[in-house]
Amino acid sequence: NAGVTQTPKFRILKIGQSMTLQCAQDMNHNYMYWYRQDPGMGLKLIYYSVGAGITDKGEVPNGYNVSRSTTEDFPLRLELAAPSQTSVYFCASSAGTGYEQYFGPGTRLTVT
Amino acid sequence: DQQVKQNSPSLSVQEGRISILNCDYTNSMFDYFLWYKKYPAEGPTFLISISSIKDKNEDGRFTVFLNKSAKHLSLHIVPSQPGDSAVYFCAASGVGGGADGLTFGKGTHLIIQP
Repeated sequence: NAGVTQTPKFRILKIGQSMTLQCAQDMNHNYMYWYRQDPGMGLKLIYYSVGAGITDKGEVPNGYNVSRSTTEDFPLRLELAAPSQTSVYFCASSAGTGYEQYFGPGTRLTVT
Repeated sequence: DQQVKQNSPSLSVQEGRISILNCDYTNSMFDYFLWYKKYPAEGPTFLISISSIKDKNEDGRFTVFLNKSAKHLSLHIVPSQPGDSAVYFCAASGVGGGADGLTFGKGTHLIIQP
């Protein structure tokens, strides 16, 4: 049972480049989330999804896009990378309201 | 404006003693609280949670206390072990039970001294 997996683990982007961070879960969870963690800070919610085809903005959505075509996958797209997007990105999933969220190992992204 | 505050960036405790990590919140709509533990280069892992209808929840060495009137919760670890050295995050969710995500504090780095 892999839980929540994220790829890549590390990535360096140049300003203006685009990329997709992949997230997959094998727990059949309906709810999925993307967070970012800046140094010395807590995690902040970027986007979330309560089921396939349904997504919504979190606290810090600017510069990102998501899609949820299947229950298992929840990719995060950066269209025009900026230095302010340098961060560690965590994907999480949950069985529903009142349940804990399970996190992936994270993707460390540097934009230079 | 931080809605979940962990005012101690770090805490050092001797092995075998009690570790007490504190968390304050400002949003009275929060009704579900969680503690996560995080090792370097890994994702956060769930430790323990508490609903606002309770004031205490216990799981082995971990106990979480909730004081709603003071908007304060704490995590007690007894006895503290070397493997407990990690960053601990307090998190909260609203009436939706976390469907719209969690609000995290900045974390407290717990160091267990041998």
